[in-house]
Amino acid sequence: AQSVTQPDIHITVSEGASLELRCNYSYGATPYLFWYVQSPGQGLQLLLKYFSGDTLVQGIKGFEAEFKRSQSSFNLRKPSVHWSDAAEYFCAVGGQAGTALIFGKGTTLSVSS
Amino acid sequence: GAGVSQTPSNKVTEKGKYVELRCDPISGHTALYWYRQSLGQGPEFLIYFQGTGAADDSGLPNDRFFAVRPEGSVSTLKIQRTERGDSAVYLCASSLLPSSTGANVLTFGAGSRLTVL
Repeated sequence: AQSVTQPDIHITVSEGASLELRCNYSYGATPYLFWYVQSPGQGLQLLLKYFSGDTLVQGIKGFEAEFKRSQSSFNLRKPSVHWSDAAEYFCAVGGQAGTALIFGKGTTLSVSS
Repeated sequence: GAGVSQTPSNKVTEKGKYVELRCDPISGHTALYWYRQSLGQGPEFLIYFQGTGAADDSGLPNDRFFAVRPEGSVSTLKIQRTERGDSAVYLCASSLLPSSTGANVLTFGAGSRLTVL
């Protein structure tokens, strides 16, 4: 079955500390992987995506993610969190053109001062 | 338009009523998707259009839900005999297919929040 698991429902990080949000996926074909961020009352904004090639991908707002095929993971990282990063983060997996993305349940990030 | 536009942003209705939610995708985007996001959950796929036709409607929960895209641009999600369990944020996304990478990058609208009393 195709699925995405985000094991952490809620994470709190101090401002300036590093962040890692976990994502594991199950997908029968070559996966295309995405991280989206959703601020309250807003739509989903694409942070970064992995299609092929270099397994470490850079995104917007200083985020990066690493694809590890052997672990079926695509964890999101940021070296230094800012208060404005507080939001809900969704990992998603999809296939080739035309297939819908499958989303995880999300991780809520809180940033403490 | 510059982004995906959804109207209304908020809709409150009574149980049993009929509701229509509209999505205006990015100009030139051939693929359009509807998702439903319940409180505390990730978006759940409902239906996907390629052009005017529904290429995959496997996510529609039952026959009270229906969507159209008659001219291959604007889409309307229609919900008949609404139930309290239909309360959620309905998200629309569009993408340009085929893409140069072969992958599918979705751009989402801000959503329509539906509340069924």
